Amino acid sequence: AQTVTQSQPEMSVQEAETVTLSCTYDTSENNYYLFWYKQPPSRQMILVIRQEAYKQQNATENRFSVNFQKAAKSFSLKISDSQLGDTAMYFCAFMKDSNYQLIWGAGTKLIIKP
Amino acid sequence: DVKVTQSSRYLVKRTGEKVFLECVQDMDHENMFWYRQDPGLGLRLIYFSYDVKMKEKGDIPEGYSVSREKKERFSLILESASTNQTSMYLCASSAFREGPVNEQFFGPGTRLTVL
Repeated sequence: AQTVTQSQPEMSVQEAETVTLSCTYDTSENNYYLFWYKQPPSRQMILVIRQEAYKQQNATENRFSVNFQKAAKSFSLKISDSQLGDTAMYFCAFMKDSNYQLIWGAGTKLIIKP
Repeated sequence: DVKVTQSSRYLVKRTGEKVFLECVQDMDHENMFWYRQDPGLGLRLIYFSYDVKMKEKGDIPEGYSVSREKKERFSLILESASTNQTSMYLCASSAFREGPVNEQFFGPGTRLTVL
């Protein structure tokens, strides 16, 4: 069975700093997808970034980028120039190629301080 | 603008009551999901549906049932609510597509308290 581990329950950084959230996963699959979702306080969960395992290039979305290390089964999220609006719970999630079910990590609470 | 709505943001029920949580999506998505979210556990899948009248058990289906009579609506039913079902319930939907997987779109959640 697949598992997703986020080892940092909570992090805080100053506004404008760069922060990296860690995620590791365990799978025997070769084809799969990885996601980072963001859940702001009292607001809906939204997708931040996704990565297809067959792509070697790391995904990037504006200030958000990932460091995908397939052999190490690591999928970290880097947020550059952090903003107050980045304060949220961040969840790492895994999906096998063959179905639509997401396996979720426990989440990291990120606080951006002014 | 895509939208997933849930019938209540907050709900308080008594032990033993039958509870209905409703979810509606306006994106014509085939797939719909019910999760519960608990601190330190992330999201856990209760049930999902990939078509009208179709349902599949997720990781924690015990104590729950679902209904999908129309494509846009997916209901979660707690047959006899218990205190250990106090949680945040999230509904999500996604499109069926062969090829690159689609993201799941989430509703705002229902915080259920069972007394």
